[in-house]
Amino acid sequence: DGGITQSPKYLFRKEGQNVTLSCEQNLNHDAMYWYRQDPGQGLRLIYYSQIVNDFQKGDIAEGYSVSREKKESFPLTVTSAQKNPTAFYLCASYGAYGYTFGSGTRLTVV
Amino acid sequence: GENVGLHLPTLSVQEGDNSIINCAYSNSASDYFIWYKQESGKGPQFIIDIRSNMDKRQGQRVTVLLNKTVKHLSLQIAATQPGDSAVYFCAEGVTGSWGKLQFGAGTQVVVTP
Repeated sequence: DGGITQSPKYLFRKEGQNVTLSCEQNLNHDAMYWYRQDPGQGLRLIYYSQIVNDFQKGDIAEGYSVSREKKESFPLTVTSAQKNPTAFYLCASYGAYGYTFGSGTRLTVV
Repeated sequence: GENVGLHLPTLSVQEGDNSIINCAYSNSASDYFIWYKQESGKGPQFIIDIRSNMDKRQGQRVTVLLNKTVKHLSLQIAATQPGDSAVYFCAEGVTGSWGKLQFGAGTQVVVTP
């Protein structure tokens, strides 16, 4: 089945470490997005990419970085500059039939 | 049951009753709107969408109403079932804005037997 795969499902990070969250899609979608979700809040846009080798900052890009070297893949790196990284991270893609979300990665700083 | 607001309130509804979830959107330029359902620990699932040239759209057991005059969106769920228990989000978007969506905070729906 076509869809979006996020890994890992749970991730623990020590203070000062960078971690990378994986997002892979086999939907042949051009556009991909990363959202952050905090308890009791809606999703907030971190970064998005419309085509390979191009990406744009969203509303809360500080402390995050992305790459888009392949159409299928849009990894998100949470850097040590992100002061409050504990959250639920969701990847999405957009195509002719609308948006598809992954199942999320829960990141916790320990 | 009915609930209003962008914070994460809880709507308790008895099984078999109709649910109404409300959302006030912020951008007058938004021309499409989507309702999502999110179960604990999972990604959002598409429920129904509506474009700004419509004021009502129906799906299976769900109806979305759009009032552009007051920038208000609602989701009605008929004959609510235990499997409908989840957080429901509205999202708004503008055609041509690279597919970016703005999400409301969500409403927790709890279906009681």
